[in-house]
Amino acid sequence: QSVVTQPPSASGTPGQRVTISCSGSSSNIGSYSVNWYQHLPGTAPKLLIYGNSQRPSGVPDRFSGSKSGTSASLAISGLQSEDEADYYCAAWDDSLNGPVFGGGTKLTVL
Amino acid sequence: QLQESGPGLVKPSQTLSLTCTVSGGFISTAGYYWSWLRQHSGKGLEWIGYIYHSGSSYYNPSLKSRLSISVDTSKNQFSLNLSSVTAADTAVYYCARFTRPHWSGYFDSWGQGTLVTVSS
Repeated sequence: QSVVTQPPSASGTPGQRVTISCSGSSSNIGSYSVNWYQHLPGTAPKLLIYGNSQRPSGVPDRFSGSKSGTSASLAISGLQSEDEADYYCAAWDDSLNGPVFGGGTKLTVL
Repeated sequence: QLQESGPGLVKPSQTLSLTCTVSGGFISTAGYYWSWLRQHSGKGLEWIGYIYHSGSSYYNPSLKSRLSISVDTSKNQFSLNLSSVTAADTAVYYCARFTRPHWSGYFDSWGQGTLVTVSS
């Protein structure tokens, strides 16, 4: 079981706003920036958010990230069918002395 | 771009060997760690380890005793060797680029992944 926790699933209808939470501890999220990845099975994972809230070039502004204390969240507004994927949060972890991932959240667009 | 290559089937107790070929840039470019990760079926992503172009490597403690990551800058490749494998090492293996500094780093480029099955 990962030291960073995400809900296993989330869902929404097209156009809706959904949020995915990510909970950690002082040895990871509480001390370091959070990154988010989007992963469609069979493809390369894609960096979605870095440094808690920064979007790489090409990522739509429908995606936003935030962090408070030992928790972080990813928000997706104007939900689209192509957003159906697995989403992972990650942060540096002092105990691991490496990057640690959440267990992933499978987003379903109804 | 990154591309994994290697056997898709490895026998128990043998060594799993994968290579990642980097294209569109030089592996010797400063500021990046060249990384391996894996994903067991139905599970989340697990960091295995990474290496800098100088050869300095950093491993997940849970795998450290069986793990070796090396870099060949002349071929623009880096490699993973995981010894004494068991069925628990069956997973999709990814190579990826991790930015420095490590405490604020992120994986900004990934390979497609390659499934490695450990079975006799």
